Amino acid sequence: NAGVTQTPKFQVLKTGQSMTLQCAQDMNHEYMSWYRQDPGMGLRLIHYSVGAGITDQGEVPNGYNVSRSTTEDFPLRLLSAAPSQTSVYFCASSLDYSTVNTEAFFGQGTRLTVV
Amino acid sequence: GNSVTQMEGPVTLSEEAFLTINCTYTATGYPSLFWYVQYPGEGLQLLLKATKADDKGSNKGFEATYRKETTSFHLEKGSVQVSDSAVYFCALSSGAGSYQLTFGKGTKLSVIP
Repeated sequence: NAGVTQTPKFQVLKTGQSMTLQCAQDMNHEYMSWYRQDPGMGLRLIHYSVGAGITDQGEVPNGYNVSRSTTEDFPLRLLSAAPSQTSVYFCASSLDYSTVNTEAFFGQGTRLTVV
Repeated sequence: GNSVTQMEGPVTLSEEAFLTINCTYTATGYPSLFWYVQYPGEGLQLLLKATKADDKGSNKGFEATYRKETTSFHLEKGSVQVSDSAVYFCALSSGAGSYQLTFGKGTKLSVIP
């Protein structure tokens, strides 16, 4: 029972490089999201998707792109990495888009450092 | 907007001590409240939740009561174990159709034998 799988676990990028953080879930969840966690701050929502082909911006979307071509996968793309994007990134999924009663399942996180 | 404030860590307790981690919130409408826990090297997982005022969420010996009058959702456990060492996050969802969880900063708990 894999749940939510994120790869890679650790990554170091140089300023200006691009990369994709991978997220896959095997629970047939409709709703997926990306958060970032910075020291001294709570998790902040970057982008989310309520189903295949549908994405929208969260609280801090600048510098990131997402797509959702399948129910299972929700990759996060950094277009041109900046030191301000140094953070721990979490992918989450839940059964439907309402967070009121639906438990969110999180991946283990990707620790990204931009130098 | 919505916000969650939880006590600063880290918190270090001896095994079998009583635990309280304070959490207060600001939200419009009728939010649902959650505690998530992150064990070392793992992702966040739901610990407990409460969806309306005066509800008590409980799991694994942890409890939290949704207090609308004080806008609080404090996490408690009567006797902590070393295995409870983790980071605890208080979070809220602002209501039906909400796409976003709003998280507190997290409180790191270390329990020593």
